[in-house]
Amino acid sequence: DQQVKQNSPSLSVQEGRISILNCDYTNSMFDYFLWYKKYPAEGPTFLISISSIKDKNEDGRFTVFLNKSAKHLSLHIVPSQPGDSAVYFCAANPRPYTNAGKSTFGDGTTLTVKP
Amino acid sequence: DVKVTQSSRYLVKRTGEKVFLECVQDMDHENMFWYRQDPGLGLRLIYFSYDVKMKEKGDIPEGYSVSREKKERFSLILESASTNQTSMYLCASASPGQGNYGYTFGSGTRLTVV
Repeated sequence: DQQVKQNSPSLSVQEGRISILNCDYTNSMFDYFLWYKKYPAEGPTFLISISSIKDKNEDGRFTVFLNKSAKHLSLHIVPSQPGDSAVYFCAANPRPYTNAGKSTFGDGTTLTVKP
Repeated sequence: DVKVTQSSRYLVKRTGEKVFLECVQDMDHENMFWYRQDPGLGLRLIYFSYDVKMKEKGDIPEGYSVSREKKERFSLILESASTNQTSMYLCASASPGQGNYGYTFGSGTRLTVV
């Protein structure tokens, strides 16, 4: 049973518009949620995270929203730039020292930002 | 700058060969991980280690083994390489002291088994 799901394999947006990437989870015991960005032929890099006790975290053009009742989070990129074109992975962390600190990843969404 | 270094960016091996993928981190992280990434399948965990000489199977451990003799080094071993092990292999490390820990990934090794 996949505990973290990214239901959209791909997303295409125009430069300057908003990109919204979605992620759903099933385990209410997750403590933190993270987004990673991955370019081809490179490893993923950490982008932004949010605690389960918050509903929003913002960092420049990137904002993550968490809706605990719906077990849903989303990453908003405003404005989108061609350099944002990458695969975005959603991940969830258990509370510290449980499960040996192993994150659970979604399958990723490929974002394409068109000039 | 903190780093996770994977020994090779690209490898081509023959079917049946024993293959070693090496990963070194300089952040004194307790946890280290090996993933493979395939199109449409996301990141799949092969093995992870939360301490020296400790290892646990991930979601797809068949055909693989690991070694962690030192805290900074985590090796992935393909005992007898097969074509279905052609993939991008990613090593990561993390320190799970706080809930918002993110993984630091290496640049990946693109392995082709012919």
